[in-house]
Amino acid sequence: DVKVTQSSRYLVKRTGEKVFLECVQDMDHENMFWYRQDPGLGLRLIYFSYDVKMKEKGDIPEGYSVSREKKERFSLILESASTNQTSMYLCASTPLGTLGEQYFGPGTRLTVT
Amino acid sequence: QQPVQSPQAVILREGEDAVINCSSSKALYSVHWYRQKHGEAPVFLMILLKGGEQKGHDKISASFNEKKQQSSLYLTASQLSYSGTYFCGTDISNSGYALNFGKGTSLLVTP
Repeated sequence: DVKVTQSSRYLVKRTGEKVFLECVQDMDHENMFWYRQDPGLGLRLIYFSYDVKMKEKGDIPEGYSVSREKKERFSLILESASTNQTSMYLCASTPLGTLGEQYFGPGTRLTVT
Repeated sequence: QQPVQSPQAVILREGEDAVINCSSSKALYSVHWYRQKHGEAPVFLMILLKGGEQKGHDKISASFNEKKQQSSLYLTASQLSYSGTYFCGTDISNSGYALNFGKGTSLLVTP
């Protein structure tokens, strides 16, 4: 059974803190993605990675960075969290070279106070 | 680049039909449809490719008009389990995986 896991379901951080959101997939997928989901705005792509150490900016990369040191793990980093980064963060993965489904993790609801 | 979905929300009685539309201002290589139930992760429903090929769900159908850069998702004889938010994701770069998702259509099926 395919699985994408995220390190936390709920996270509360203070403004200015450095925040790490971790995503792990066990399907040997090359592509991994980070989205944020806000009411009325849908899913917006922050960053994606198509290989280890490779990354591409999505639509809203400002205020975020990512790290992919191992194929199975893709981390989203908020260097200095701000209240406008309070959101639901979803990780997804998909194999390379296929026009197929993205497998999503359960999401991390981040609140920045 | 975000595709536009319509309607924003729809309420149906069990057994009724619904159509959800997705349109893009850019040429599309493929359109992907996902459903997300409350508190859960989005789940893949279907992909539509240029040239008419479809892959996905056997109880939900969809169309893809390449010239109009539009796709429609058809939910027929709706069941309570169809309730959720439906997202279309559009591929404008021919990458096959870097998608732009719409804002979603909330569908509620009532008994």
